[in-house]
Order: sequence, then structure tokens, then C-alpha cells
Amino acid sequence: EAQVTQNPRYLITVTGKKLTVTCSQNMNHEYMSWYRQDPGLGLRQIYYSMNVEVTDKGDVPEGYKVSRKEKRNFPLILESPSPNQTSLYFCASSLRTGLSYEQYFGPGTRLTVT
Amino acid sequence: DQQVKQNSPSLSVQEGRISILNCDYTNSMFDYFLWYKKYPAEGPTFLISISSIKDKNEDGRFTVFLNKSAKHLSLHIVPSQPGDSAVYFCAASTLLWSNTGKLIFGQGTTLQVKP
Repeated sequence: EAQVTQNPRYLITVTGKKLTVTCSQNMNHEYMSWYRQDPGLGLRQIYYSMNVEVTDKGDVPEGYKVSRKEKRNFPLILESPSPNQTSLYFCASSLRTGLSYEQYFGPGTRLTVT
Repeated sequence: DQQVKQNSPSLSVQEGRISILNCDYTNSMFDYFLWYKKYPAEGPTFLISISSIKDKNEDGRFTVFLNKSAKHLSLHIVPSQPGDSAVYFCAASTLLWSNTGKLIFGQGTTLQVKP
């Protein structure tokens, strides 16, 4: 089954404790992205990756890091989480096609930073 | 600056009637628009899209209309079914971003279809 998986699905942590949210896709997609969803703001892109070892900042990259060492994996790293990073996070992947921007989303990770 | 806006946070309709969800955008460079549906505890799933060279795209019960001069698009669901109850996100992009896979999302509209 074609899918994007994220782990963990729920996480409660404390300020400053480094954490990693994993993302994996089995569709051999080149593009992968991370979004955060906040009330009244919709989904905002954090980072994206066009291929292995190629990443760039989205609209809200502050406080986050990513890496793309393998095509299928795109982990999101919070080196020193703060309460304003409490949010619902989605990983997404898509094929590189001309006018197609259809992205496939993972189930989400709800992060609470206290 | 919210480039894609869904000004109605919620919408309630009766089963069998039409649901109309609206979306406005400000960036005239946007040339591709998508609608995603999201159920609780799940990620958004792609529903329907439209390119700026068209003004209408239809897929079963779902039709998206694009009015470029007004920078407005709408999603029509006819007839509405209880299973359509979800949050609907409008998203936009531009060919200039085709190497990034970037989408700009609206805030979402929660649709409730009452039996």
C-alpha cells in the first residue's frame, strides 16, 4: 500500500529536549515536505527536499532541521523545542511532474512542548 | 500575510443539498489550485485540482470553479453526503515553485453534512 508514515503520532516533551519525528514514504517520490498546522493558519511549510541531500527552507523554518540521506526518509529535528512549536505536524511527498503539485500526506504527529 | 484565505471557518448543510466552499487568493502568480479533505486524526488527502488555463474541473460529485479576475475559487459538492463531513483546505502554487513542491494552504473550512 502506497503511504507516508510518521512516528511518533503523539509526543509530549519538555522545553529544550531534542527530538526527532521520522517520516518515510514507499512511493519512490522525489519531493518531500514538512508542514505544521495551527488553528486559524492552515498548513505552513517548514522545510522541503527536492531529492537526496537537497533540502531548503519553507515559510517557517526557524527552530527546525531536516536531513535527506535516503530517498524514502525525511526526518524533522527539533534541537531545542520550545512551547511555540506545539503543533500538528505533517510530512508529505510528491512526484516531480510539471504541473502536478498533488502531495500525499502522512497521518500527522501531534507535538506538545511544555 | 495570508496569500490564500478561506473566510468561512465552518459550513453546515443538509444531506442531499449543495455544499459550496470558497477560497480567495492574493498572489496573481498562482496558476494551480487544489482542494484537500481532512478527517480527524488523518492527514489531508487530495480531492480535486484546477489549472489556471481552465475555469472549471469536475470529478463526480465535486466541481471546482476558478474565477481568475476575482482571484476566487470555489468547491461545489452535489449532492452532499454525511461522509463529506471534514475539514477542507484550499491550496495554491505556481509553476515557479515546481522544483520545490511548495503549496500555500488556506486556513480550512469545516463542513458538516447533517443527515
